Amino acid sequence: KNQVEQSPQSLIILEGKNCTLQCNYTVSPFSNLRWYKQDTGRGPVSLTIMTFSENTKSNGRYTATLDADTKQSSLHITASQLSDSASYICVVTLANQAGTALIFGKGTTLSVSS
Amino acid sequence: NAGVMQNPRHLVRRRGQEARLRCSPMKGHSHVYWYRQLPEEGLKFMVYLQKENIIDESGMPKERFSAEFPKEGPSILRIQQVVRGDSAAYFCASSPGLAGVEQYFGPGTRLTVT
Repeated sequence: KNQVEQSPQSLIILEGKNCTLQCNYTVSPFSNLRWYKQDTGRGPVSLTIMTFSENTKSNGRYTATLDADTKQSSLHITASQLSDSASYICVVTLANQAGTALIFGKGTTLSVSS
Repeated sequence: NAGVMQNPRHLVRRRGQEARLRCSPMKGHSHVYWYRQLPEEGLKFMVYLQKENIIDESGMPKERFSAEFPKEGPSILRIQQVVRGDSAAYFCASSPGLAGVEQYFGPGTRLTVT
């Protein structure tokens, strides 16, 4: 069964600190893996996208890693800011699919406090 | 360049009524996807449409739900005879090409069935 599991479910950190979010997947055939940020009451916004051959991808203070052998990914946030408070969703894309291509995790809710 | 537009943002319906959710894709995008997010759950694919065609509706309940994307105007997700279990956030995404390429999400419509 194609699944995406994320941990932790929620996380609270102090402003300025770093944090790492985890994503494990059992999706086949694999096309790519994306991390989205979803603010409360808004739609998901793409942060990074990695294909099978990519190990790491950065977008400002966000750095995503991918280990296709162990089927694990992480999202590292550096020097967190209050505006980073959101849900972070790991999404794996199935290859050779049409509409059902995206498999979503439930997300990690990050709260950054001052 | 406006992003994906959804309206209404919030919709309250009584059991048995009909709900109509609208989605205007980004300019130049001819592919639309609908997703449902139940409380504490990840987004789940419902239906994938191109102009005047349903490409994949494998995620849509067989009864009461229908979707269209006419040649002119927004895509419509229609839920007939709503029940409490239909209460959820419904997100629309659009892309310029095939599934698996970047999808841009709208802000969602939050449906509450009383």
